[in-house]
Amino acid sequence: AQKVTQAQTEISVVEKEDVTLDCVYETRDTTYYLFWYKQPPSGELVFLIRRNSFDEQNEISGRYSWNFQKSTSSFNFTITASQVVDSAVYFCALTNAGNMLTFGGGTRLMVKP
Amino acid sequence: EPEVTQTPSHQVTQMGQEVILRCVPISNHLYFYWYRQILGQKVEFLVSFYNNEISEKSEIFDDQFSVERPDGSNFTLKIRSTKLEDSAMYFCASSEMEGPSGNTIYFGEGSWLTVV
Repeated sequence: AQKVTQAQTEISVVEKEDVTLDCVYETRDTTYYLFWYKQPPSGELVFLIRRNSFDEQNEISGRYSWNFQKSTSSFNFTITASQVVDSAVYFCALTNAGNMLTFGGGTRLMVKP
Repeated sequence: EPEVTQTPSHQVTQMGQEVILRCVPISNHLYFYWYRQILGQKVEFLVSFYNNEISEKSEIFDDQFSVERPDGSNFTLKIRSTKLEDSAMYFCASSEMEGPSGNTIYFGEGSWLTVV
């Protein structure tokens, strides 16, 4: 069975602070894929990143960066110099080669001006 | 940018009534999905659909649920006899290729269903 745990249910920061959202996963598969989605107050799910289990290189996209560590089964997401527009619920998700995404419980990020 | 559109954005229905949620996937996508999110909880997979057939479904997707692609553009989720516990946000999604592993799944903005 697959499982994704986002232990931080809610994080509050002040604008321009850096913030890291934690994601820990469990799977028995050797091939799997990890994702982050953003859910702003409007409700839609916005794709942020996909990473496969064979690629442990960290990735940076603007103010966003992701740290994938298989040794600790973690796929953490860092926002540098946070902005109010970053306020949203962020979901980490996992799949093997199938169709089903298994989501974590989400972390609500509040960025205050 | 192409997007998945869903209607209605919000529906209130009486317990026991049938509900149809509609989705227009991205036009060149072949794989379609429904997920749901009960208020304050995680997003859960319901069903995937390809070539006019269900390719995978979860335990949640019982006989009360059905999906259909009635024409070339719409993809619907029907709940035959709604229960209070069906109250949730229902997300439609689509992808060009099968599954999130090889391709990105794009989600719609969701249809919020309230059963009273």
